[in-house]
Amino acid sequence: AQSVTQPDIHITVSEGASLELRCNYSYGATPYLFWYVQSPGQGLQLLLKYFSGDTLVQGIKGFEAEFKRSQSSFNLRKPSVHWSDAAEYFCAVGGGGSNYKLTFGKGTLLTVNP
Amino acid sequence: DVKVTQSSRYLVKRTGEKVFLECVQDMDHENMFWYRQDPGLGLRLIYFSYDVKMKEKGDIPEGYSVSREKKERFSLILESASTNQTSMYLCASSKGVSVGTQYFGPGTRLTVL
Repeated sequence: AQSVTQPDIHITVSEGASLELRCNYSYGATPYLFWYVQSPGQGLQLLLKYFSGDTLVQGIKGFEAEFKRSQSSFNLRKPSVHWSDAAEYFCAVGGGGSNYKLTFGKGTLLTVNP
Repeated sequence: DVKVTQSSRYLVKRTGEKVFLECVQDMDHENMFWYRQDPGLGLRLIYFSYDVKMKEKGDIPEGYSVSREKKERFSLILESASTNQTSMYLCASSKGVSVGTQYFGPGTRLTVL
């Protein structure tokens, strides 16, 4: 069974500081990996995804993530956080073939201090 | 842009009522999903559909049913609403015959009194 762990429930950073949100997954084959962001009261918006190829993927809003197979990780990074980045972030894993399902982590809430 | 819309942003119902949540997507996607989102639990899949009239149970289908009569529309039905079904409900759609990017609607916050 596939699963995702986001070890940090809540992270607080200062505006302008760097950010790393952790994501560890469990999946038996090559995973499809996603990061989504949810602003308060809104649906989820895709930040970036990894299907294959280059293990460092770029997304929207200046975010990037690195797939590390040996560590079963897909951590999200941003070099300089803006106040508008305050939101909840979800990592998700899915598989190939006819497996349509995405399994989501429980989310990491990001607070940005001025 | 992919657009997924949900019929209501906020809904208040009474225990025992039959509740319909509607979701419409405009991108001709094959797959549609219903999730519920609760604090500390993340998103949990209730049901999904990979074609018209086709459905599969997700991780927490108990107390729910679904209907997909047209490709663009996927309905979630609470046959007899209970207070433990108070939650945020999110609809999503995706294209193709395997896992792909899911596009989400804005959500319906349902309160059952």
